[in-house]
Amino acid sequence: GENVEQHPSTLSVQEGDSAVIKCTYSDSASNYFPWYKQELGKGPQLIIDIRSNVGEKKDQRIAVTLNKTAKHFSLHITETQPEDSAVYFCAASKGGSQGNLIFGKGTKLSVKP
Amino acid sequence: NAGVTQTPKFQVLKTGQSMTLQCAQDMNHNSMYWYRQDPGMGLRLIYYSASEGTTDKGEVPNGYNVSRLNKREFSLRLESAAPSQTSVYFCASSPGALRANYGYTFGSGTRLTVV
Repeated sequence: GENVEQHPSTLSVQEGDSAVIKCTYSDSASNYFPWYKQELGKGPQLIIDIRSNVGEKKDQRIAVTLNKTAKHFSLHITETQPEDSAVYFCAASKGGSQGNLIFGKGTKLSVKP
Repeated sequence: NAGVTQTPKFQVLKTGQSMTLQCAQDMNHNSMYWYRQDPGMGLRLIYYSASEGTTDKGEVPNGYNVSRLNKREFSLRLESAAPSQTSVYFCASSPGALRANYGYTFGSGTRLTVV
């Protein structure tokens, strides 16, 4: 089955710097790659997603890139702010009746003022 | 605009006790899921219901049962709680696994401690 690996497990940056979180997946049939942000005491919230027919997607300060050949995708956050501090999860799915999301183990991002 | 509602938010059980975690969604979603979250383990799927009337095991189903009561509600039952089931439980829903992929909407979680 699908396996998603996420790195790093913790990341600390200064406010205003960029942050990059990387994920790799094992199943070449996966075609949907969402990213979730989880703030303390809350449930994960979808922040951006990308499908396999697209190489890059941006939404204000966040962007996601996908390399299908290498089977990896990344989350990029520019101009980080303290409110970006949270745990971020990547996930992968191949859709259809067996297309449940498989999650990475998460990255705890700390943005220092 | 409630989304996914989970009850209770916190619960302490003694080993061997039983309880049911409730989940309801108001988005007319077809698919619903139960995950557990443990430190360093990410989100692990316990059970899911691809559509009303169906349920299937996920990655870690042992010790749990589920009921898809109707399209809105999906409950998780612990028949005989064990300390290893101490965790944060999240319910989620999505438009449907048989359609184009869509992100899940998560509830705010139930923090369960088994002593």
